[in-house]
Amino acid sequence: DVQMTQSPSSLSASVGDRVTITCRASQSIGTYLSWYQQRPGQAPKLLIYDASTFDGAVPSRFSGSGSGTDFTLTISNLQPEDFATYYCQQAYTTPLFTFGPGTTVDIK
Amino acid sequence: EVHLVESGGGLVKPGGSLRLSCVASGFTFTEAWMAWVRQVPGKGLEWVGRIRGAMTTEYAAPVQGRFRLSRDDSKNMVYLEMNNLKTEDTAVYYCCWSGYRWFGAWGQGTLVTVSS
Repeated sequence: DVQMTQSPSSLSASVGDRVTITCRASQSIGTYLSWYQQRPGQAPKLLIYDASTFDGAVPSRFSGSGSGTDFTLTISNLQPEDFATYYCQQAYTTPLFTFGPGTTVDIK
Repeated sequence: EVHLVESGGGLVKPGGSLRLSCVASGFTFTEAWMAWVRQVPGKGLEWVGRIRGAMTTEYAAPVQGRFRLSRDDSKNMVYLEMNNLKTEDTAVYYCCWSGYRWFGAWGQGTLVTVSS
């Protein structure tokens, strides 16, 4: 099984900050990596798939990069609505999808 | 706009059964992969299974043999039949419109509690 880890598990940041979240896979997964945002009390929402492709009307302050085992989600100019938990998800072993444990971004 | 609404959650005893339903709109349902993802409250996400067409179904190991997916394309509905439920199946269950490698839209979720 492909195991996913994320770091940090949580972070505190201020509006306007640049935030970087890392996701690591236990083996190479190419670019079969997606990112989701989950605000408190809401369902997850797809942000990025295939490591760096935006889904729909995702704000341009979000960006994804990486390949192989190491991936990053960057949020530049953090906005109040960005305080949430972010999950990565691998699809290399489709259909055996696995998610990372999540990174919570809260207000400093 | 894609819209997914789950129903059917509730309290059930260990060993019991429950059927979740999901009605979809806003996309071509007959061509779509539909998936279920669950989340223990306050915890992370776990893929449960997915279905495409009438015959193509795939399941995660923890639910294989106990859960069964089906769909009614005439009603834009997908169903998750859950049997021999265990306490560890307690979670919010999300219905998802799924791309082949990602989960593009999610419903609001329905809570399943397995407890005696």
